[in-house]
Amino acid sequence: QKEVEQNSGPLSVPEGAIASLNCTYSDRGSQSFFWYRQYSGKSPELIMFIYSNGDKEDGRFTAQLNKASQYVSLLIRDSQPSDSATYLCAVRPYSGAGSYQLTFGKGTKLSVIP
Amino acid sequence: ETGVTQTPRHLVMGMTNKKSLKCEQHLGHNAMYWYKQSAKKPLELMFVYNFKEQTENNSVPSRFSPECPNSSHLFLHLHTLQPEDSALYLCASSPIGQQGPSTTYGYTFGSGTRLTVV
Repeated sequence: QKEVEQNSGPLSVPEGAIASLNCTYSDRGSQSFFWYRQYSGKSPELIMFIYSNGDKEDGRFTAQLNKASQYVSLLIRDSQPSDSATYLCAVRPYSGAGSYQLTFGKGTKLSVIP
Repeated sequence: ETGVTQTPRHLVMGMTNKKSLKCEQHLGHNAMYWYKQSAKKPLELMFVYNFKEQTENNSVPSRFSPECPNSSHLFLHLHTLQPEDSALYLCASSPIGQQGPSTTYGYTFGSGTRLTVV
């Protein structure tokens, strides 16, 4: 059973601080990792994608991947109240039938306090 | 229009009604998905279609009946629903192709249908 684990939160950070969201996964063969943002009552939107060990930066967002530790994280610098949302971690397995399907974590709710 | 379009955006139905949710994607994707998201709960995968063939039914009650006439359209037919079926129903699509890890095979979600069963 492939599992993706996230702390449900809520994670509260002050405006301007760095928010750190974490995700672990059970399938060691997983190859692609995604972060989605979901505002309350809205659909998830893809904000980051990473597949190589290390860091990937896009604006205020940095995704970090450590395949040896089966760990992926999302850092949000200079957090804004508009970043308040639930962040979903998703993992794509290595290969084989169904490898296009993603396994989603339950999400971490982030609250940025003005 | 591009992306994934879901209709209707909101639906209120009685327990004896029959209604259908529609999803249409213009992204050239070959996999489509139905998810259920109840209030303050995680995404629950319901059905998966790959090239319009159902590849997964995640133990969904028979009062939910999916239909995928082609790779661009997906329906969810609803009948004799229960109040606990009230939720946000999300459609998503993704490409299926060469499995290189560097390719962004993330899902694109529709805006969802907010369903209320009374």
